[in-house]
Amino acid sequence: GESVGLHLPTLSVQEGDNSIINCAYSNSASDYFIWYKQESGKGPQFIIDIRSNMDKRQGQRVTVLLNKTVKHLSLQIAATQPGDSAVYFCAEIGYKVIFGPGTSLSVIP
Amino acid sequence: KAGVTQTPRYLIKTRGQQVTLSCSPISGHRSVSWYQQTPGQGLQFLFEYFSETQRNKGNFPGRFSGRQFSNSRSEMNVSTLELGDSALYLCASSLADKRGDTQYFGPGTRLTVL
Repeated sequence: GESVGLHLPTLSVQEGDNSIINCAYSNSASDYFIWYKQESGKGPQFIIDIRSNMDKRQGQRVTVLLNKTVKHLSLQIAATQPGDSAVYFCAEIGYKVIFGPGTSLSVIP
Repeated sequence: KAGVTQTPRYLIKTRGQQVTLSCSPISGHRSVSWYQQTPGQGLQFLFEYFSETQRNKGNFPGRFSGRQFSNSRSEMNVSTLELGDSALYLCASSLADKRGDTQYFGPGTRLTVL
């Protein structure tokens, strides 16, 4: 199989702080990107997406930034809460879907 | 609207057996994709079905197969199970009327091969 992403397996953040999760993608032709959250025992859950003609997109407490020059994607979570603890995956969609290896976010109360 | 459902949720098999997993997509979704998730390899794409036809395929051996029915429900089959097939198998559905449609995942089937 194929995967994409910086190997950053674990991120620990104090409750209330902002979290930044990074991802590198491989295909400059990918035109759509998604961030997923996967809690223990559950399937990945859609968080936010961004198309390649955008640099930034904001949701509720989450912001995705896309830097096409360096093929980098980031997810920012504002005021991180214990319920944000999970594994976060980026996915790039071109002619196929490629998932990043995932980052485990741990929120310290 | 009900989400993606997968059955069974847990399965234990022995080497050499075969297994069939089932996925019911969100109502109205015509595309179903299957993924294998393991701690070592992460999420790996198996195949995608759209309107009962396999539209895309990942790099897995022929022991892994699937099909889609006219109601968009999908099954995947793994024959001659190996220990390395132990994984969480995830199904995701999307409208897929254009490339880049968001995929919505089911809870997965946890397969353990002994």
